Amino acid sequence: GDSVTQMEGPVTLSEEAFLTINCTYTATGYPSLFWYVQYPGEGLQLLLKATKADDKGSNKGFEATYRKETTSFHLEKGSVQVSDSAVYFCALSDGSARQLTFGSGTQLTVLP
Amino acid sequence: GAGVSQSPSNKVTEKGKDVELRCDPISGHTALYWYRQSLGQGLEFLIYFQGNSAPDKSGLPSDRFSAERTGGSVSTLTIQRTQQEDSAVYLCASSAGLAEFYEQYFGPGTRLTVT
Repeated sequence: GDSVTQMEGPVTLSEEAFLTINCTYTATGYPSLFWYVQYPGEGLQLLLKATKADDKGSNKGFEATYRKETTSFHLEKGSVQVSDSAVYFCALSDGSARQLTFGSGTQLTVLP
Repeated sequence: GAGVSQSPSNKVTEKGKDVELRCDPISGHTALYWYRQSLGQGLEFLIYFQGNSAPDKSGLPSDRFSAERTGGSVSTLTIQRTQQEDSAVYLCASSAGLAEFYEQYFGPGTRLTVT
């Protein structure tokens, strides 16, 4: 079945540092790929998405590129802020129902 | 506009009791999903509805779990004879359709604690 593997956390960075959170996937079809973010005390929000190979999703300074050859969708940001502290989930959707399969989540803490 | 709402926000129940969790999707959204977020299992898919129909119930953890949706809107997830391993945050999401370009919007979740 489908699965998503993402970098174990927690990750602690200083403000303005470069962020990479690795994500790889296994899928039988041609999935769409997502990054969701969960800020403290809030619900899951879509951060960015890519629906086909070589697409780049971007939002709020975050980027991720759909790499079919390496089955990866790594999340990057050039300069993190304290307000980026949250849990980040990589996910894919596949099949007729388009339900999401999530990775385990990565807790990011950004220190001032 | 209004987002996905869920009630109750918190529920504490005794082992063996039945519970009902409610989800109000965004108006006009035809697809509705239930997920569970727990420490041991992470975020896992339970069931989806397209309209009032749930074509695949294989994601439900056991036959103690059931779900229904009426009028293409509100959905209820029912857990019978709750067990401690049912303790989790139950998340509902809705989307305008099932196609890959429709975003799923999540509710705030119901935190269920079984004592």
